[in-house]
Amino acid sequence: DIQMTQSPSSVSASVGDRVTITCRASQGISRWLAWYQQTPGKAPKLLIYAASNLQSGVPSRFSGSGSGTDFTLTISSLQPEDFASYYCQQANSFPFTFGPGTKVDLK
Amino acid sequence: QVQLQQSGPGLVKPSQTLSVTCAISGDSVSSKSAAWNWVRQSPSRGLEWLGRTYYRSKWYSDYAVSVKSRITINPDTSKNQFTLQLNSVTPEDTAVYYCARDLEIVGYWFDPWGQGTLVTVSS
Repeated sequence: DIQMTQSPSSVSASVGDRVTITCRASQGISRWLAWYQQTPGKAPKLLIYAASNLQSGVPSRFSGSGSGTDFTLTISSLQPEDFASYYCQQANSFPFTFGPGTKVDLK
Repeated sequence: QVQLQQSGPGLVKPSQTLSVTCAISGDSVSSKSAAWNWVRQSPSRGLEWLGRTYYRSKWYSDYAVSVKSRITINPDTSKNQFTLQLNSVTPEDTAVYYCARDLEIVGYWFDPWGQGTLVTVSS
């Protein structure tokens, strides 16, 4: 199985801050990576697919980059509704696997 | 707009079968471009993909090795829904279970998701 890791596991930030989250795959996955946002009690929501493609309806302050084994999710200017947990997921091969998550909370 | 609505019991006894259903609106369980997945989430395991079913002139299923001996995902074309069955459950199977769609031709990412069903395995 492809193992996914994320760093940091949590980050404290303020509204307006730039936040960057890193995801690493245990083997190359080309650009077969998605990012999800999850708020407490809710299902994950797709933000980014194919490493850098913004899902319809997702604000442009979210962006993704990377290929191979190293990927980043960037929130350019954190908004109050962005305080949540973020997960990466590899879509390169079965079984699909997720990172452990990064929690973004208020400083 | 595709929506997934989950239903199922919240409490299952050890050794019994867990069953959660996902009703689809805005798409078809028999779609030749979609697949229908189950993912669970627990504090100990995080997000864990369990399996998927899809129709490509006939029905196929893919399952995670970790649950392959215990899992079945069944489509129901008459009700446009699909059901997760997990046999011989233990407390380790306690989790929130989600259904989700992937569009295989685009990529194996999940959108949308059902609202989630908390299933507790306890006597």
